[in-house]
Amino acid sequence: GAGVSQSPSNKVTEKGKDVELRCDPISGHTALYWYRQRLGQGLEFLIYFQGNSAPDKSGLPSDRFSAERTGESVSTLTIQRTQQEDSAVYLCASSLDRTNEQYFGPGTRLTVT
Amino acid sequence: SQQGEEDPQALSIQEGENATMNCSYKTSINNLQWYRQNSGRGLVHLILIRSNEREKHSGRLRVTLDTSKKSSSLLITASRAADTASYFCATRGGGNKLTFGTGTQLKVEL
Repeated sequence: GAGVSQSPSNKVTEKGKDVELRCDPISGHTALYWYRQRLGQGLEFLIYFQGNSAPDKSGLPSDRFSAERTGESVSTLTIQRTQQEDSAVYLCASSLDRTNEQYFGPGTRLTVT
Repeated sequence: SQQGEEDPQALSIQEGENATMNCSYKTSINNLQWYRQNSGRGLVHLILIRSNEREKHSGRLRVTLDTSKKSSSLLITASRAADTASYFCATRGGGNKLTFGTGTQLKVEL
């Protein structure tokens, strides 16, 4: 079946602009995660959804970052007033529930100029 | 903050040789997972080992877990050029998130 998809695959934006990143998880997966990966580094956890609720937002780096999930499906990560340090690959993952292995999307490469 | 630290940071071997990567972590865990990442994009889940397991096999992969030392190792036997990738360990504690290590870059040369 279809895996996790993310869009856009690449996004170049000017400093100060807002961006929206989209994640379509595997159908039926109740858990959804967002991670950030800076060049040459490991993954940083951002936020976790169980259904449409986000019980763990502890990784969001600032109030410029927000995310929502609707219909226990699609999730959107929004970054307001982007800064150059926001440049990274943003990865989304989903799993059947929080105890299972996670399936990752291909990521969105965000470049803030 | 990073929970796991992989060792070595980079590894270069010849095709056919075995590759061993190690992961150390700091807090108690429910399970530990290994992932592979090609070209800095999506990760692929390789294997999950639970805290009450000591060793697990999957194809050419062998994972060990020593909870007393808070460490795990991933062994790839008879490596192939296609195994060239970055490998990450990730730990799940009592919470909801996976905490990833810094990764080992493996290069398998022909």
